[in-house]
Amino acid sequence: ELKVEQNPLFLSMQEGKNYTIYCNYSTTSDRLYWYRQDPGKSLESLFVLLSNGAVKQEGRLMASLDTKARLSTLHITAAVHDLSATYFCAVRAMNRDDKIIFGKGTRLHILP
Amino acid sequence: DGGITQSPKYLFRKEGQNVTLSCEQNLNHDAMYWYRQDPGQGLRLIYYSQIVNDFQKGDIAEGYSVSREKKESFPLTVTSAQKNPTAFYLCASTGKQGTEAFFGQGTRLTVV
Repeated sequence: ELKVEQNPLFLSMQEGKNYTIYCNYSTTSDRLYWYRQDPGKSLESLFVLLSNGAVKQEGRLMASLDTKARLSTLHITAAVHDLSATYFCAVRAMNRDDKIIFGKGTRLHILP
Repeated sequence: DGGITQSPKYLFRKEGQNVTLSCEQNLNHDAMYWYRQDPGQGLRLIYYSQIVNDFQKGDIAEGYSVSREKKESFPLTVTSAQKNPTAFYLCASTGKQGTEAFFGQGTRLTVV
């Protein structure tokens, strides 16, 4: 059974600091997704990681994937208040059913 | 513009009633998904479908039903058997390669 664990679940940090969110998953996967959700809104796609060693960057966010360790990271560089949101990782199982399972999310609060 | 549309945005249901949430996509995507999100929680998979006329139960399918008669449409019915239906419901779709999973804007269902 595919399980996805994120940590930390809550993170409060100062502007200008760096931090990393971790996403572990339990079975072989061929797709790893990162999303952002603002309060009361739907999910906004940030990154899709397709292969071992994949790294993608957009602004102050960088995501990476290690399929051997079954681990993805979302790194925040020099955080700004606008990045306050909940961040989810999701994993597509590498079997015939294409199920996509989400982690519980990391609620990020950036203090000015 | 291509996208995925959910309707209605807000829905109120009396206890004992069935209600149907609409999800339509014009992205020519094969796979479609329904998730439930409770306040402060992650997304839990209700049902998903890889092709027309076929669908599979997710982790919390009890009290819900779906159909996939057309590629573009994947409606979700919340039946009276669902004892705690108040939640935010999100629909998503992916193409064959699963390179990106797009979400609709969500339907907020409240039991009154």
